[in-house]
Amino acid sequence: QKEVEQDPGPLSVPEGAIVSLNCTYSNSAFQYFMWYRQYSRKGPELLMYTYSSGNKEDGRFTAQVDKSSKYISLFIRDSQPSDSATYLCAMSAGGTSYGKLTFGQGTILTVHP
Amino acid sequence: DTAVSQTPKYLVTQMGNDKSIKCEQNLGHDTMYWYKQDSKKFLKIMFSYNNKELIINETVPNRFSPKSPDKAHLNLHINSLELGDSAVYFCASSPAQGRGANVLTFGAGSRLTVL
Repeated sequence: QKEVEQDPGPLSVPEGAIVSLNCTYSNSAFQYFMWYRQYSRKGPELLMYTYSSGNKEDGRFTAQVDKSSKYISLFIRDSQPSDSATYLCAMSAGGTSYGKLTFGQGTILTVHP
Repeated sequence: DTAVSQTPKYLVTQMGNDKSIKCEQNLGHDTMYWYKQDSKKFLKIMFSYNNKELIINETVPNRFSPKSPDKAHLNLHINSLELGDSAVYFCASSPAQGRGANVLTFGAGSRLTVL
């Protein structure tokens, strides 16, 4: 079993839809949770960064972490065609493992006009 | 100005050859990384260096040898290339300490194809 599981999709939604992306994990040492966005033929870029359980909002994006269920989510409101990309969840235990990120497989998202 | 730049972007080579990928960052970060992304899009850490010192060395074959001449550069040399080495190799950098060390800035990747 992989440490981080993420449904690869693909996910196709119409413009303006609310998108929900999810990851589950098995390593209870993970304390830092990130979402990276990767456009085709580009490197991943950090979208959201949260510590421990709770919600964080940034514009149209909301990240949720539920450590008791080992489950994290990313919500995208009013999705746009420019949001079409692969979304990767990532996690770190911190401490000596800062920077050592364990990634999910990524979910391919297409937002069509 | 590109923050993390890698060269070359594409490499196509034969099995058994040796190849190198170079990486440079102009962000002033102390820590640099090599990550490998396979055909199924899994990104996995290979190495990290902090100010030229090897910090993380995952279970990578010793055919892969990183080298950091200074904290702004991290190169990756691969000997005796195998078919399974075909992947996209990403260089990244981050601040050294604390939670900021999880904020990685990635390069655009170097796509290696071994024939």
